[in-house]
Amino acid sequence: EAQVTQNPRYLITVTGKKLTVTCSQNMNHEYMSWYRQDPGLGLRQIYYSMNVEVTDKGDVPEGYKVSRKEKRNFPLILESPSPNQTSLYFCASSPRQDTGELFFGEGSRLTVL
Amino acid sequence: AQTVTQSQPEMSVQEAETVTLSCTYDTSENNYYLFWYKQPPSRQMILVIRQEAYKQQNATENRFSVNFQKAAKSFSLKISDSQLGDTAMYFCAFLKNGEKLVFGKGTKLTVNP
Repeated sequence: EAQVTQNPRYLITVTGKKLTVTCSQNMNHEYMSWYRQDPGLGLRQIYYSMNVEVTDKGDVPEGYKVSRKEKRNFPLILESPSPNQTSLYFCASSPRQDTGELFFGEGSRLTVL
Repeated sequence: AQTVTQSQPEMSVQEAETVTLSCTYDTSENNYYLFWYKQPPSRQMILVIRQEAYKQQNATENRFSVNFQKAAKSFSLKISDSQLGDTAMYFCAFLKNGEKLVFGKGTKLTVNP
């Protein structure tokens, strides 16, 4: 089954404790992206990757890191989480950036205390 | 920069009735793509419908159709014969070639029995 898998789905952590949200897709997609969703703000792009070893900042990259060492994986790293990073996070993939047809993961609800 | 505006934060409709969600966008481009995404309470977002700006014919997917008014920069989604499973957050999105997908802030639709 074609899918985008994120883990963990739910996480409560404390300020400053490094965490990684994993994202994996099995569709051989070149393009992958991370979004955060906050009430009243919609979806905002954090980082994206056009292909392996190619990543770039989105609209709200501060406080986040990513890597794309393999085509299927695109982890999101919070080196020192802060309460303002409490949010719902989505990973998405697409065959290419210019299709606009994103396949989304189920989301990861992160709470930073 | 392109902007996408969804002026209705929340809407409700009775089961079996028709509802229209509005979306406007701002661009000086002539070629672009427009999308409606659906995010059910289970949270995974899925693509509902896509429209290419160069096509005059409005896109249709079963009970979902769009009213694309290029001159007015309007892209509304019509849901016919609403079902309880249509209850979701709906996001309008805009894509210009070579750039990233831009989302509106969403409209929360509730279908009442």
